[in-house]
Amino acid sequence: NAGVTQTPKFRVLKTGQSMTLLCAQDMNHEYMYWYRQDPGMGLRLIHYSVGEGTTAKGEVPDGYNVSRLKKQNFLLGLESAAPSQTSVYFCASSYSLRGGNEQFFGPGTRLTVL
Amino acid sequence: AQSVTQPDIHITVSEGASLELRCNYSYGATPYLFWYVQSPGQGLQLLLKYFSGDTLVQGIKGFEAEFKRSQSSFNLRKPSVHWSDAAEYFCAVGEISMEYGNKLVFGAGTILRVKS
Repeated sequence: NAGVTQTPKFRVLKTGQSMTLLCAQDMNHEYMYWYRQDPGMGLRLIHYSVGEGTTAKGEVPDGYNVSRLKKQNFLLGLESAAPSQTSVYFCASSYSLRGGNEQFFGPGTRLTVL
Repeated sequence: AQSVTQPDIHITVSEGASLELRCNYSYGATPYLFWYVQSPGQGLQLLLKYFSGDTLVQGIKGFEAEFKRSQSSFNLRKPSVHWSDAAEYFCAVGEISMEYGNKLVFGAGTILRVKS
């Protein structure tokens, strides 16, 4: 099993450009999450999904949109990139909402917005 | 709101020395606590977790952590550090809410450097 994969690994955008980050998991997990990681701030939840066709906002959703058309995929979109969105983006998945349940993380996408 | 504090941004230890990384949390109920490790350029890997039972939990790579409710702490320890342990370590508390589902609240991380 590949676990959680993310595409692309690196990307450089100019302000105002758009892009989509793809997350895929092969563990048949119901729940998927997008986080961003910034120095000194840990990881912060952007959006999450509790199942195919459903999405919801996390802590820092502004400037991002998401879609979960297939159970195994969770897409994160930036419609008009801003320098403040320069960050490392991590996707995660879990099979349960139970608190002790582990989230499995992808390798990350490093995005730079100039 | 739940929060996690990792007081040490950087820690440097000699190879073979013992290690303790500190984590304090703020949570109203019995917490679900996690330690993740992130090697450079990699994703996060779960080291260990606590959600009930024995307050001393064992993890992978020889790590352990002790949950102390009275101190709201969940410190990570290893008796003898190896050079390959150099990485960034994140403490997290699992928060369940109707709003966010199974959300992890992360500390800011502690960067471990190992000197030979």
